[in-house]
Amino acid sequence: SQKIEQNSEALNIQEGKTATLTCNYTNYSPAYLQWYRQDPGRGPVFLLLIRENEKEKRKERLKVTFDTTLKQSLFHITASQPADSATYLCALVLTGGGNKLTFGTGTQLKVEL
Amino acid sequence: DAGVIQSPRHEVTEMGQEVTLRCKPISGHNSLFWYRQTMMRGLELLIYFNNNVPIDDSGMPEDRFSAKMPNASFSTLKIQPSEPRDSAVYFCASGPIPGANVLTFGAGSRLTVL
Repeated sequence: SQKIEQNSEALNIQEGKTATLTCNYTNYSPAYLQWYRQDPGRGPVFLLLIRENEKEKRKERLKVTFDTTLKQSLFHITASQPADSATYLCALVLTGGGNKLTFGTGTQLKVEL
Repeated sequence: DAGVIQSPRHEVTEMGQEVTLRCKPISGHNSLFWYRQTMMRGLELLIYFNNNVPIDDSGMPEDRFSAKMPNASFSTLKIQPSEPRDSAVYFCASGPIPGANVLTFGAGSRLTVL
């Protein structure tokens, strides 16, 4: 069966450190992989997109990697701040799957002072 | 643009009642998605439309659920009759096509069925 797995346990890190979140998928052939941020009581907000033929994408303090052999994406936040505390969701758009976007369950990040 | 607008933000109803959730997508976006979010199952895709046409409704849990998009600026998700297990946050999202389908989400409608 198809699965998109993210670590269900919250990730607690100290301010200033790099946070690394993982998204693993099985039985998918994604054309794109996206990362979203969700704050309590709000809808997800788009952060970054990476295509199947790209290895890495950066935006300010954010970096995403995409390994289609390992079927894994890593999401990094460098110099983390308490304001980065949120739930982060990965999402896939499948090759030949139209524009259907399927989400993982998300990982909660807590950045402590 | 005011973003994706959903109403109501909160709804509490009794089992068996009809529930209608509404969504106004971003002007110019021609795809619209309905998702449901619970702690147990995360964000599940219920149905999506391209150019007002339903493309994939395989995520709609039962016949009690129906969705319509009569025009490019309005969509509804209806549950009739509602059950306690339908309690969740329902999100509407819109995006441009063609493209990589980056979605803009509404603030969600929190439904509680007693």
